[in-house]
Amino acid sequence: DAGVIQSPRHEVTEMGQEVTLRCKPISGHDYLFWYRQTMMRGLELLIYFNNNVPIDDSGMPEDRFSAKMPNASFSTLKIQPSEPRDSAVYFCASSVVRTLRGETQYFGPGTRLLVL
Amino acid sequence: GESVGLHLPTLSVQEGDNSIINCAYSNSASDYFIWYKQESGKGPQFIIDIRSNMDKRQGQRVTVLLNKTVKHLSLQIAATQPGDSAVYFCAENDNNNDMRFGAGTRLTVKP
Repeated sequence: DAGVIQSPRHEVTEMGQEVTLRCKPISGHDYLFWYRQTMMRGLELLIYFNNNVPIDDSGMPEDRFSAKMPNASFSTLKIQPSEPRDSAVYFCASSVVRTLRGETQYFGPGTRLLVL
Repeated sequence: GESVGLHLPTLSVQEGDNSIINCAYSNSASDYFIWYKQESGKGPQFIIDIRSNMDKRQGQRVTVLLNKTVKHLSLQIAATQPGDSAVYFCAENDNNNDMRFGAGTRLTVKP
């Protein structure tokens, strides 16, 4: 398996533009997680899905952020409109079991987002 | 140790030496702890975990120590190698399944 796949790997955009980040989880994993990582705040859980259904989105910063999982092999995280403070590395992770326990989660390589 | 600002704490060791990376956690109700390794340009990678009913757990070349009294966690890497160079951060998980991550320590191994 190629592991968790994220695209794009790097994104530079201007404030106010829409940004869409994409994730393909590991086949057979029923849980998908979106994280954001910054120097100031470290790694933060934004939202996670189980069987394509959003379970906990309490970490989503505000209404400008939305996430979808239309099928078991694809998820998107959208920011509209984007702001400079959204600049961060966004990670997707997947897991086969219902837990945030570390050894069961596999992280993708991340998307580095810069909003000018 | 944990970062409280814009710059990660750094630890520089000589190849072959042992490394000790520290982490202070905040929630006395946390019952599960994890150490991650994150290499440049990559996602976090699970290294080792420990539950609160233990105070020590060993893996291959790594040992995690947990001191619940002072809410302190450490990661020991034996015979550190250049491939160990990365950012290491801890995470704590409480029984509500809420996980909090530390900012990390940058380990540099000099050949």
